[in-house]
Amino acid sequence: DAGVIQSPRHEVTEMGQEVTLRCKPISGHNSLFWYRQTMMRGLELLIYFNNNVPIDDSGMPEDRFSAKMPNASFSTLKIQPSEPRDSAVYFCASSLHPLGSGNEQYFGPGTRLTVT
Amino acid sequence: AQSVTQLDSQVPVFEEAPVELRCNYSSSVSVYLFWYVQYPNQGLQLLLKYLSGSTLVKGINGFEAEFNKSQTSFHLRKPSVHISDTAEYFCAVSIKAAGNKLTFGGGTRVLVKP
Repeated sequence: DAGVIQSPRHEVTEMGQEVTLRCKPISGHNSLFWYRQTMMRGLELLIYFNNNVPIDDSGMPEDRFSAKMPNASFSTLKIQPSEPRDSAVYFCASSLHPLGSGNEQYFGPGTRLTVT
Repeated sequence: AQSVTQLDSQVPVFEEAPVELRCNYSSSVSVYLFWYVQYPNQGLQLLLKYLSGSTLVKGINGFEAEFNKSQTSFHLRKPSVHISDTAEYFCAVSIKAAGNKLTFGGGTRVLVKP
């Protein structure tokens, strides 16, 4: 299995531009998670989906952030407009759902975003 | 809501010495516990997890952890570290009612010195 795939691996953009991060979960996994990692705030859960449906988006910082999962094999995290404080590493992770199973999450390699 | 505290932000250790990384959690319900490792410029990967049963859990790369319910702890240990163990280590918890949603600690950076 190829594992969780994220693209791009690095993104440099100017303030005000739209940024779209992409994730392909492991085949057969039905839970998907988006995280943000910074030195100041550590690892933060932004949003997670079960069976393509957003379950908890309480970690999404503000309306500039949006996430979609149109099908079981693809998800996007969009920032519009981007700001320098959005600079971070964004991770996508997937797992097998069933509720309360304790299944571990498998992480992608991350997208390093720099907003200038 | 549950929370996780990793008491040490950085742990320097010499090669072949033992290491212990401390993790304490708080939760009003039963939890599942995890340790993840993040090597430089990589994503997180699972070291080990505790779901139920034996409180001593063995993981990959010679790591083990012990669940202590009375002290709400899940400390990670390795009897002899290698240079390749230099990484950041994250403790995490999940609860049954929250599916597989994880709450992470702040991480402990381990630097193994020759």
